[in-house]
Amino acid sequence: AQSVAQPEDQVNVAEGNPLTVKCTYSVSGNPYLFWYVQYPNRGLQFLLKYITGDNLVKGSYGFEAEFNKSQTSFHLKKPSALVSDSALYFCAVRAPGYSSASKIIFGSGTRLSIRP
Amino acid sequence: GAGVSQSPSNKVTEKGKDVELRCDPISGHTALYWYRQRLGQGLEFLIYFQGNSAPDKSGLPSDRFSAERTGESVSTLTIQRTQQEDSAVYLCASSYGLAGVTYEQYFGPGTRLTVT
Repeated sequence: AQSVAQPEDQVNVAEGNPLTVKCTYSVSGNPYLFWYVQYPNRGLQFLLKYITGDNLVKGSYGFEAEFNKSQTSFHLKKPSALVSDSALYFCAVRAPGYSSASKIIFGSGTRLSIRP
Repeated sequence: GAGVSQSPSNKVTEKGKDVELRCDPISGHTALYWYRQRLGQGLEFLIYFQGNSAPDKSGLPSDRFSAERTGESVSTLTIQRTQQEDSAVYLCASSYGLAGVTYEQYFGPGTRLTVT
């Protein structure tokens, strides 16, 4: 069965510093990986995804994520954090295939707090 | 175009009553998901519909929960004999789901269910 883990409940970073939000996964075959963000009192928004190709994926708002197959990780990164990046971030994974078994499941979320 | 819509936006019900939550996916999206998010928590997978395949119901927490989807249109999530622990935000998401291609999900604003 597929699973995804976000080992940190909260990450605190000073504005202007680089940030990393960690995600590891377990799935049979080549995974499809996603990051979503949930701002306070707003719905979930798609940030970026990895399907195949270049291991470094660039997404919205200056975020990027690196797929590492050997470490089964897909960490979210940003070179310089902004206070407005403060939100709840979710990693998600989908097993390959086209069936009802290939559902997308989410990690428990990491709350990112950027201090001025 | 219109996004994913959910109704009602808020529902307060008494313990033991049945509730029905509705999701209108984006037109043309073959995949539809229901998730539950308790306050400050991650997304808990409930059920996944993909085209005409049998739905993946593996996330439904008890037999009080059921969901239906007619074709590739509206879905309803029904909770019978509600309990206080059912209080949460229920999120619906839809996406394209063509064979061999994985698209990101678009989330609705959610239905906040409060069981008193």
